Amino acid sequence: NAGVTQTPKFQVLKTGQSMTLQCAQDMNHEYMSWYRQDPGMGLRLIHYSVGAGITDQGEVPNGYNVSRSTTEDFPLRLLSAAPSQTSVYFCASSYSAGGSGGELFFGEGSRLTVL
Amino acid sequence: DQQVKQNSPSLSVQEGRISILNCDYTNSMFDYFLWYKKYPAEGPTFLISISSIKDKNEDGRFTVFLNKSAKHLSLHIVPSQPGDSAVYFCAAPSGTYKYIFGTGTRLKVLA
Repeated sequence: NAGVTQTPKFQVLKTGQSMTLQCAQDMNHEYMSWYRQDPGMGLRLIHYSVGAGITDQGEVPNGYNVSRSTTEDFPLRLLSAAPSQTSVYFCASSYSAGGSGGELFFGEGSRLTVL
Repeated sequence: DQQVKQNSPSLSVQEGRISILNCDYTNSMFDYFLWYKKYPAEGPTFLISISSIKDKNEDGRFTVFLNKSAKHLSLHIVPSQPGDSAVYFCAAPSGTYKYIFGTGTRLKVLA
């Protein structure tokens, strides 16, 4: 089973460029989310989705855009990359949204560097 | 304001001894807690959880203790093995759709 698949694993961008981080899951999970991990900051929620067509903001949504057209896919778009967006990004999914039993399944991460 | 705190960024333990990783939280509405383990260049993986109706949950070498009055939980690993060397995150669901993570503790188990 593939679980949660993220592409690309590594990316270098110049300031102002745009790009999309892809995330796909094959577990039929309704809930999907994007986190960024920065040194000393833990994992911070960027955006999440509770089903196709439904998205909402997390803790640190500025500079990022998401959409959810299918259950399987949840891409994260950087509209105009900034050095402050240099981070490791994780996509995660769950069969239920929060609460007991709603453990998250994570992808392997995408390391993004913005010069 | 950090609602879930892991105040020890790192911990070193001898192989075979007990590892104790700590986590404090500020929101008394949290009623479920999870621990995740993360190896370098991999995503976090779920390790163990505990509901607030319990004060202890055990899974093999891993036990999580919850002290609701102190708003404190701890993860015990006994005996510690070199393969346990990783970063450990505690987390709590906040509301219906969000998870709050601590900053992580890097555990190094020395052979």
